[in-house]
Amino acid sequence: QKEVEQDPGPLSVPEGAIVSLNCTYSNSAFQYFMWYRQYSRKGPELLMYTYSSGNKEDGRFTAQVDKSSKYISLFIRDSQPSDSATYLCAMSAISSGAGSYQLTFGKGTKLSVIP
Amino acid sequence: GAGVSQSPSNKVTEKGKDVELRCDPISGHTALYWYRQSLGQGLEFLIYFQGNSAPDKSGLPSDRFSAERTGGSVSTLTIQRTQQEDSAVYLCASSTRSRLAGPHTDTQYFGPGTRLTVL
Repeated sequence: QKEVEQDPGPLSVPEGAIVSLNCTYSNSAFQYFMWYRQYSRKGPELLMYTYSSGNKEDGRFTAQVDKSSKYISLFIRDSQPSDSATYLCAMSAISSGAGSYQLTFGKGTKLSVIP
Repeated sequence: GAGVSQSPSNKVTEKGKDVELRCDPISGHTALYWYRQSLGQGLEFLIYFQGNSAPDKSGLPSDRFSAERTGGSVSTLTIQRTQQEDSAVYLCASSTRSRLAGPHTDTQYFGPGTRLTVL
């Protein structure tokens, strides 16, 4: 079992739909959770991060973390064609000192928003 | 401001050749990461540099892979005797990474990547 599982899709929705993207994880040491968006042939860009259970909202995007279930979600409201990209969940364990906060990524979900 | 830059953007090489990939992090960022993104495998951590500390090399897949960071800024990832399974996009990321302030300072900003193809 991989540490982070993410359905690769592809996921195709009509413009204006609510999109739900999800990841599950097995490592209870993960404390810091992120969602990245990656357009074709570009590097990932950070959308949202959180390090606690609950919801965090930023415009049309809501990140949800449920540590008891080891499950995180990203919701996109009123989806737009410009949201078409691959969405990657990422997480890291908190380490002390100069230790690495290396990210463990899901494989990414490819989203297409159809006008 | 300028983001993370990587060069070359594309590299095609023959099996058995050595390649060098370059990363210029965001100015002032003390932490630098290398990741590899390949089809079906997602993004995998390779190596991490932080200031003058010894690098975390735990993600390097074999001793053919090495990296250095000169002057706390530019980093070079070297792959010796390339194999076809090394074909992937190699991504570099940097962050401000404050040991005292905690993980929220480690927001990693990625470069556009170098697409390596080994024939």
